[in-house]
Amino acid sequence: DAGVIQSPRHEVTEMGQEVTLRCKPISGHNSLFWYRQTMMRGLELLIYFNNNVPIDDSGMPEDRFSAKMPNASFSTLKIQPSEPRDSAVYFCASSLGRRGSGANVLTFGAGSRLTVL
Amino acid sequence: AQRVTQPEKLLSVFKGAPVELKCNYSYSGSPELFWYVQYSRQRLQLLLRHISRESIKGFTADLNKGETSFHLKKPFAQEEDSAMYYCALTSSASKIIFGSGTRLSIRP
Repeated sequence: DAGVIQSPRHEVTEMGQEVTLRCKPISGHNSLFWYRQTMMRGLELLIYFNNNVPIDDSGMPEDRFSAKMPNASFSTLKIQPSEPRDSAVYFCASSLGRRGSGANVLTFGAGSRLTVL
Repeated sequence: AQRVTQPEKLLSVFKGAPVELKCNYSYSGSPELFWYVQYSRQRLQLLLRHISRESIKGFTADLNKGETSFHLKKPFAQEEDSAMYYCALTSSASKIIFGSGTRLSIRP
């Protein structure tokens, strides 16, 4: 398995543009998490899914942010319209959930570095 | 509400000195605690979890429910320990939150 795959690795865009970040979790993992990493706040949980269903989106900063998981192998995080304060590294991570010896252990993607000018 | 607090943004120690990275949590239920590490140019990865009660790369962490702490310790720091360290907590609903992180710098 190639691990958690995120794209794009880097995105530079202008304020007001739509940004879509993509994630492919590890096959067989049934929980998927989106985090935002900044120097000031560290790793903030934005939203997480269990079995493709959003469980908690209370960390999504505002209505400009949305996330979907149409199937077990794909998720997107969309920002529309983007603003300079959205500049950060966005991580996707997946886990087996509460099952087995690897319960609740996260495997992270490489991250998507977003810069909004 | 769940919360994880890492009071130090930066910790700098000399090689061979003891290291303690602090982590305090707030959670009304029975928590699962983890430490994750991010080395330069590498992905975030699990370092250790409290239920395993193991030592990884010389690091240990003991869950203290009385003090609601899960501090990470190593008796003798090595230069390769320089990295960003995050403490994480998992709730019964499998929600996983992180502290703000501590950057550990080991001076030669």
